[in-house]
Amino acid sequence: AQSVTQPDIHITVSEGASLELRCNYSYGATPYLFWYVQSPGQGLQLLLKYFSGDTLVQGIKGFEAEFKRSQSSFNLRKPSVHWSDAAEYFCAVGVDRGSTLGRLYFGRGTQLTVWP
Amino acid sequence: NAGVTQTPKFRILKIGQSMTLQCTQDMNHNYMYWYRQDPGMGLKLIYYSVGAGITDKGEVPNGYNVSRSTTEDFPLRLELAAPSQTSVYFCASSYGLAGVNEQFFGPGTRLTVL
Repeated sequence: AQSVTQPDIHITVSEGASLELRCNYSYGATPYLFWYVQSPGQGLQLLLKYFSGDTLVQGIKGFEAEFKRSQSSFNLRKPSVHWSDAAEYFCAVGVDRGSTLGRLYFGRGTQLTVWP
Repeated sequence: NAGVTQTPKFRILKIGQSMTLQCTQDMNHNYMYWYRQDPGMGLKLIYYSVGAGITDKGEVPNGYNVSRSTTEDFPLRLELAAPSQTSVYFCASSYGLAGVNEQFFGPGTRLTVL
């Protein structure tokens, strides 16, 4: 069965520091992987997605993520965090076949706090 | 485009009451979804629809019902509210299947059942 694990519930970084949010997935086939961000009181917004090809994908707001098949990981990174990046981040795996076709499975989320 | 809109933003229900959460999208998306978000649990799929007149259950459908009479609207019905349904509810839509396409989310409805 497909699942997503985000090991870090809460991360705190200083503004200007680098950031890496971890995501591990479980899925039998080549996954469709997503990172979404949720600002306080808002719905989720897509940051970036991986379907195939280059394993390093670029997203909005200066974020990038790297797909590592051998580690079943899709970690999100940003070289220099801004105070406006404080939000909750969700990793998700998409299913493109079988009885759960079209569904998106979310991790539990990582809350990011940015210190000035 | 307004995107995905949800009403109401907040609601308090008493146990046993009923209500409908409204969701409308103006992007002509075929696919629409209802999720609930509980603290520390991520989002769980309640119901989804692949087009007008077609709906299917997600991971946590018990206690909810949906209908899809038009492309734009996808209301979620709670018939007998229970405290376990206290949550934040998000409606979403996508042009294609959610598993392979970007989903667009509404701002959410925060529901409390007392």
